[in-house]
Amino acid sequence: GAVVSQHPSRVICKSGTSVKIECRSLDFQATTMFWYRQFPKQSLMLMATSNEGSKATYEQGVEKDKFLINHASLTLSTLTVTSAHPEDSSFYICSATDRGSYNEQFFGPGTRLTVL
Amino acid sequence: KQEVTQIPAALSVPEGENLVLNCSFTDSAIYNLQWFRQDPGKGLTSLLLIQSSQREQTSGRLNASLDKSSGRSTLYIAASQPGDSATYLCAVINTGGFKTIFGAGTRLFVKA
Repeated sequence: GAVVSQHPSRVICKSGTSVKIECRSLDFQATTMFWYRQFPKQSLMLMATSNEGSKATYEQGVEKDKFLINHASLTLSTLTVTSAHPEDSSFYICSATDRGSYNEQFFGPGTRLTVL
Repeated sequence: KQEVTQIPAALSVPEGENLVLNCSFTDSAIYNLQWFRQDPGKGLTSLLLIQSSQREQTSGRLNASLDKSSGRSTLYIAASQPGDSATYLCAVINTGGFKTIFGAGTRLFVKA
């Protein structure tokens, strides 16, 4: 099946620094990738939809200047959390859509971000 | 605005029991519906995907049904095992933009 990887799996950073998370589709071309965040014991909240070669579409309430998304190729999307604060601590998960599979979404393993 | 609800929020059953997880959605204009499993602190594993034109999908001990007109889907797990313990998430992919809306999940615990 389709595989999506995320890097890093876990990151701890100081308040005020920026953190970049990578999402890669390993064996298929993903024209669309999605970024989610998940708080403990809660479901996934869609943050933005990322299409290759174009600007990301952000959900209401998500600051595009704080959560920078770049989808530079068909296999890579990055999420940069700028000037991170403790309230940004969360589990960030990406997914990629394989158009050959009726837009089935394949999820990465997630990145646990802790901001001190 | 699409809303997805999952019932029950949590479920504890003895090993070997058959069980049903429920998912309901408010807007029937969906492209497909997907069931996922999530283990604590981990990402999501896709279990079953049902296209809007389909009524059910089966994989091993899992069977998912879809009734678009009533806005409901069920995930049936046969002969449950302790290894089935996880959170099960239902997600609806809307037509037009293919935005995915997740339910809050059902936390399942299967006792040995």
